[in-house]
Amino acid sequence: GQQLNQSPQSMFIQEGEDVSMNCTSSSIFNTWLWYKQDPGEGPVLLIALYKAGELTSNGRLTAQFGITRKDSFLNISASIPSDVGIYFCAGFSGGSNYKLTFGKGTLLTVNP
Amino acid sequence: EPEVTQTPSHQVTQMGQEVILRCVPISNHLYFYWYRQILGQKVEFLVSFYNNEISEKSEIFDDQFSVERPDGSNFTLKIRSTKLEDSAMYFCASSPPGQGVNEQYFGPGTRLTVT
Repeated sequence: GQQLNQSPQSMFIQEGEDVSMNCTSSSIFNTWLWYKQDPGEGPVLLIALYKAGELTSNGRLTAQFGITRKDSFLNISASIPSDVGIYFCAGFSGGSNYKLTFGKGTLLTVNP
Repeated sequence: EPEVTQTPSHQVTQMGQEVILRCVPISNHLYFYWYRQILGQKVEFLVSFYNNEISEKSEIFDDQFSVERPDGSNFTLKIRSTKLEDSAMYFCASSPPGQGVNEQYFGPGTRLTVT
């Protein structure tokens, strides 16, 4: 099946710092989504990207759909303690419009 | 803001028993999904459902699993004879028709523990 390589696995930063994480795939993805998951809860959709090269912001979050359609990154600027959680990239590939493939997640810890 | 809801939040069952996990998708959404997440691992697709039929399923979704939309609001996942390895968080998701169809919104999950 499709595999998404997400990095880094974990990050430990100081409040106020910027953060960047990314996802890569060996195959082309048609849509990239970024989710945040808090412990014991469901993933919450942050940003959806539909076109190669697209750059989209949601508050302090910015995500880009890579030109090759095989990668995406998420930036968080001026991090705050409530940014703590696991961030997942996810996407659709291979003609499927239903099956979301998830990365393994990036665990973000923000030190106040 | 409309949300996907799921019940129960936690289900404990004995191996071999049947369980039904329930979901109420967002009301104007037409596409419904089940995913699972084994503790500490990534979220895995199980099945998608549209127009009262399965549109896609993964290799995990074998004959022990079934889905149903028994009425206009509920969407259920049944596991016929649970195994220890079925222990996981099960998430329901839904997406709207039209341009936003790729945006899947997840519920809070049901933690299934098989003993």
